[in-house]
Amino acid sequence: DAGVIQSPRHEVTEMGQEVTLRCKPISGHDYLFWYRQTMMRGLELLIYFNNNVPIDDSGMPEDRFSAKMPNASFSTLKIQPSEPRDSAVYFCASSFLYSIHPAYGYTFGSGTRLTVV
Amino acid sequence: SQQGEEDPQALSIQEGENATMNCSYKTSINNLQWYRQNSGRGLVHLILIRSNEREKHSGRLRVTLDTSKKSSSLLITASRAADTASYFCATDVMGNTPLVFGKGTRLSVIA
Repeated sequence: DAGVIQSPRHEVTEMGQEVTLRCKPISGHDYLFWYRQTMMRGLELLIYFNNNVPIDDSGMPEDRFSAKMPNASFSTLKIQPSEPRDSAVYFCASSFLYSIHPAYGYTFGSGTRLTVV
Repeated sequence: SQQGEEDPQALSIQEGENATMNCSYKTSINNLQWYRQNSGRGLVHLILIRSNEREKHSGRLRVTLDTSKKSSSLLITASRAADTASYFCATDVMGNTPLVFGKGTRLSVIA
């Protein structure tokens, strides 16, 4: 397996523009997580899915953020409109069946570095 | 808010020395995990220790857990330059919630 795949790796956009981040989890993993990493706040959970269903989106900062998981192999995180304070590294992670605390831990993608100017 | 807090924030050692990083957390946990993050990369799972375990080993890694003090330590023995990375502890609070990560310890191993 190629691991969790995120695209794009880097995104630079102007304030007000729509941004879409993409994630392909590991096949067979039934939990998917979106985290955001900044120097100030560290890693923050934004939302997570179980079997493609959003379970908890309380970490989504504002209505400008939305996430979807139309099928088991694809998820998107959209920011519309984007603002400079959204600049961060966004990570997608997936984990195994049965438990969200599996013995093997989470598998993270390489992240998308978003810069909003 | 952060559940886990790593200490120190940064650590610089010579190759061959041991590196010890600590993690404190606030609430009861089901298990605690340690992750490594190389610069510009995603986090990589290193080791998991359950709340009923006190010590666990994996290669050059040794993790301890003291639930009475709500703390854990990660020891990397005989460090190498390739161990240079940030190390994070992550906990799952009792109940059905995802991992909460600390802010990490930046380890620099100087050759």
